[in-house]
Amino acid sequence: KNEVEQSPQNLTAQEGEFITINCSYSVGISALHWLQQHPGGGIVSLFMLSSGKKKHGRLIATINIQEKHSSLHITASHPRDSAVYICAVTSGGGADGLTFGKGTHLIIQP
Amino acid sequence: DAGVIQSPRHEVTEMGQEVTLRCKPISGHDYLFWYRQTMMRGLELLIYFNNNVPIDDSGMPEDRFSAKMPNASFSTLKIQPSEPRDSAVYFCASSLTGNIQYFGAGTRLSVL
Repeated sequence: KNEVEQSPQNLTAQEGEFITINCSYSVGISALHWLQQHPGGGIVSLFMLSSGKKKHGRLIATINIQEKHSSLHITASHPRDSAVYICAVTSGGGADGLTFGKGTHLIIQP
Repeated sequence: DAGVIQSPRHEVTEMGQEVTLRCKPISGHDYLFWYRQTMMRGLELLIYFNNNVPIDDSGMPEDRFSAKMPNASFSTLKIQPSEPRDSAVYFCASSLTGNIQYFGAGTRLSVL
């Protein structure tokens, strides 16, 4: 069973700061997912990646398969980025259930 | 598409009662997942289906839990009898093979 660890657990930053959230996993994977859970509880998929780097707006996700590590970066952070960010992995060609990290609770203060 | 639709959004029941949670996946998606989220354990996979067939139910906690997918448009997760420790938020998600998963809004279950 894959163990997924995230750090930090909690992060408070000022608006405009560059944010980095880290994720490591114990066993080889087929894909890594970054999810965002809003204060209201809804879950949105941000990225699914198996190598390299992806960018969407102010969000950047990278993965290093050899080191079993991924990072999620937020540039020019804004209070609306406040949410829980969850790292999750799949092992079966991407078509199986997710194994989740505990999440990082991010608060961006104005 | 309206996205993944779950019902009810909230359910309050008494211990020992049967609870049925419902999910309508995104049309055309061939995978459906049921997850549970608690403060103690975070998000966990309960079961998933491919083309309406259960593939992995190893996350189903006990025989009190059962899930069905009678057709491509509908799935149920049933708890009978319910217990207070089943209180959680239950999410359904669907995907097209190998792609990102789309989550429903969740059902918040409280068992008193």
